[in-house]
Amino acid sequence: SQKIEQNSEALNIQEGKTATLTCNYTNYSPAYLQWYRQDPGRGPVFLLLIRENEKEKRKERLKVTFDTTLKQSLFHITASQPADSATYLCALAPLYNFNKFYFGSGTKLNVKP
Amino acid sequence: NAGVTQTPKFRILKIGQSMTLQCAQDMNHNYMYWYRQDPGMGLKLIYYSVGAGITDKGEVPNGYNVSRSTTEDFPLRLELAAPSQTSVYFCASRRQGANTGELFFGEGSRLTVL
Repeated sequence: SQKIEQNSEALNIQEGKTATLTCNYTNYSPAYLQWYRQDPGRGPVFLLLIRENEKEKRKERLKVTFDTTLKQSLFHITASQPADSATYLCALAPLYNFNKFYFGSGTKLNVKP
Repeated sequence: NAGVTQTPKFRILKIGQSMTLQCAQDMNHNYMYWYRQDPGMGLKLIYYSVGAGITDKGEVPNGYNVSRSTTEDFPLRLELAAPSQTSVYFCASRRQGANTGELFFGEGSRLTVL
């Protein structure tokens, strides 16, 4: 099965800075990679999907990169705000199979005012 | 739309008891999923369904059963509860044909087995 690594240590940054979160994976190369946000006591909420043939995807203050050579995705939040504080999960799936998403354990982001 | 609704939100079970976690969605999604989330761990897929009457195992199906008699409902049954089943359970759904594969999650059901 897929092994997915996200930094288990919380990331603490100052408001206004760019937060960068990492998702590393081993074994097969996924065709799809998603990022979700999860607030305490809530279910995950979908943010972005990036495909293996896309190097970068942007949505408002969010930017995701996908490097299949390094087997890594980077998730950036620019001009971070305290409201961005949450746990961010990455999820990977093989080609033609959205039923087989494997999730990382997530990285907690704390944005200090 | 209420989205994905899970009940109960909290439950304490004794070892060996059985119970059913309920999940309903009002988005007419074909695909539905059950995940469990343990502290510090990623979401693990228990079972999923691609439509009424069709279910399949995920990564960690042992100790659980599911059924899908309607598009809207996807209950998860725990038989003979064990402490290892203490977890937060999330139900999710997905629209067929959605090119992002976006999963819509419920708020979770926190289960403790003592």
